[in-house]
Amino acid sequence: QVQLVQSGAEVKKPGASVKVSCKASGYTFTGYYMHWVRQAPGQGLEWMGWINPNSGGTNYAQKFQGWVTMTRDTSISTAYMELSRLRSDDTAVYYCARAYCGGDCYSGGYFDYWGQGTLVTVSS
Amino acid sequence: QSVLTQPPSVSAAPGQKVTISCSGSSSNIGNNYVSWYQQLPGTAPKLLIYDNNKRPSGIPDRFSGSKSGTSATLGITGLQTGDEADYYCGTWDSSLSARVFGGGTKLTVL
Repeated sequence: QVQLVQSGAEVKKPGASVKVSCKASGYTFTGYYMHWVRQAPGQGLEWMGWINPNSGGTNYAQKFQGWVTMTRDTSISTAYMELSRLRSDDTAVYYCARAYCGGDCYSGGYFDYWGQGTLVTVSS
Repeated sequence: QSVLTQPPSVSAAPGQKVTISCSGSSSNIGNNYVSWYQQLPGTAPKLLIYDNNKRPSGIPDRFSGSKSGTSATLGITGLQTGDEADYYCGTWDSSLSARVFGGGTKLTVL
């Protein structure tokens, strides 16, 4: 069965960086785009971007450009999301989500499997 | 402020029906597929509806989706206490070149 297992909770100081991992199993890792979505406490879902695990190509939401880096290691079927220059309002649960897209994966598809989430707390 | 507009909350009694609206524009809902997600308290979102009105395997037919113009609707019939959750609509926005979500709707089953 498809599983996305994320790394554990992190506590970071303002200005630091955090790298969250998402290990995929139960399917061909390179066959599906991986997206990252975050959710601040008590708030809604915010899309951050995606990575194409096959090519390594990425597409970041404008808000996060220059600030987020998404990478992958196909040898261990793991995607990573690194956010730099953390601020207190980056405190959130970060989710990876697999996208099923029949054709147009740049803009199409839907999130059929989600990781369990990783809480990142930014506090001095 | 979310690009897609959902009511903050809806409520209904067990066994009743409820609908949740999701309003957008021609750059998002009007020209792209809509999906819906259920988020139970303390858990990750779960896919409920994709491509406007399709249900993944394992999702009961009590859940339905529809789209008309620049709005989409999630319907839930035969409400159960286990349906209490936050519900989000999502789609692609061609103008923003970004995935967008509604602000979420909290369903209370009285």
